[in-house]
Parts: sequence; C-alpha cells; structure tokens
Amino acid sequence: NAGVTQTPKFRVLKTGQSMTLLCAQDMNHEYMYWYRQDPGMGLRLIHYSVGEGTTAKGEVPDGYNVSRLKKQNFLLGLESAAPSQTSVYFCATKRTSGWSTDTQYFGPGTRLTVL
Amino acid sequence: AQSVAQPEDQVNVAEGNPLTVKCTYSVSGNPYLFWYVQYPNRGLQFLLKYITGDNLVKGSYGFEAEFNKSQTSFHLKKPSALVSDSALYFCAVRDINSGYALNFGKGTSLLVTP
Repeated sequence: NAGVTQTPKFRVLKTGQSMTLLCAQDMNHEYMYWYRQDPGMGLRLIHYSVGEGTTAKGEVPDGYNVSRLKKQNFLLGLESAAPSQTSVYFCATKRTSGWSTDTQYFGPGTRLTVL
Repeated sequence: AQSVAQPEDQVNVAEGNPLTVKCTYSVSGNPYLFWYVQYPNRGLQFLLKYITGDNLVKGSYGFEAEFNKSQTSFHLKKPSALVSDSALYFCAVRDINSGYALNFGKGTSLLVTP
C-alpha cells in the first residue's frame, strides 16, 4: 500500500498562474485534509473533507479551492497564485471507524514556490 | 478554540541525556492531544496520543508523554536521547469544529549533539 501520496513534490509558479495539487490515498479513509506549513507557524488547516462530494473551509482558505469527487482523491487548486502561497503543503487522512480513528496520516508534502 | 503552545523554538541536548519538549494546551472539554515528528524534507510521522486513561502515554521510538490536567501540559520525553532524534516536533490538539482536524503548535526543533 502506498498510503498517502502527493503530486507533484516540487513546483515553481509565477504570480497569477494556476495549478492543482493532488492527494491520493489507498487506505479507504473518509476524512481528508489540506494543511500548509510555514516557518515558525506550524501547520494550518486550509480545507477539509469528511467524505466524497463534501468539502469545508479551514483556518486559511482564501485563494484556494478544493474538490473531492472520488473518495480516494482530494484536490487543492490555486486559481491565481500569489507569493504569499509559497509554502509546503501537506495532505492528511483519517478513518472514522475501527481502530485508531483519531490518528491522522500525512503525505510527504509538496513544496511550492510562487515567484 | 482548541489550541496548543510550544514555548521553546529549539531544544538542545547531549546524546544519552534525557530530553523534554514542552507543550501546553487550552481546550474546552476533554483534550485529544498528539505528538508528531518531522524529519528534514519529510512528512509528519505520528509519535503518540492521549485520549483518555493513563496519564503516561508511550509511543514510537522510545518516546513518552505525560498528560497533566492541573498544569494543562502534555510534555514529550525520552530517557536517553539519540543523535537520530534530531528533528522538528509538533504538539497538536483535535478540533471537533473542523472535521476533527488538528490544531498544531509552532513546532520545536530538537538538536541532539554527540
């Protein structure tokens, strides 16, 4: 099992360009999350999804959109990238039944630079 | 709001010495607390969690954490540090208002010197 994977691993954008980050999981987890990590600020929640077809805003949603058309995939979109979106983006998943429903599992991250 | 604080940006310890990474929390209700570790250029790895029960929680790689309700603390500890323990450590608390997402502290960088 691959667990949680993120595509791409690195990306450099120019201001105003758009892109989509893909998070894929093969653990059949219902909940999925997008966080961003900035130096000295820990991780902050951007958007989350509690199941296929549902999404909700987190702490820092401005400038991002998300979609969860399939249970295994959670997409994070930047429609018009800004330098303030330079960050490392992490996806995480969580199950809702069975063993250890409280633990989140993280992907390896995507390092995004916006020039 | 559910939050945690990590008062130290960096902790330095010599190999073989005990280590402590501090975390305090502010929650309404019963806290669900976590410790994660991040090695350079890697994702976050789960170390341990406190949900309920015994105040001393044992986790991966020889780490443990002590839940102290009166001091609202959840400090991470290890009896004998290894150089390979050098990493960034995050304390987190579950937020039931955001799909059970985690609210993270700012992180503490642990440096273990030979």
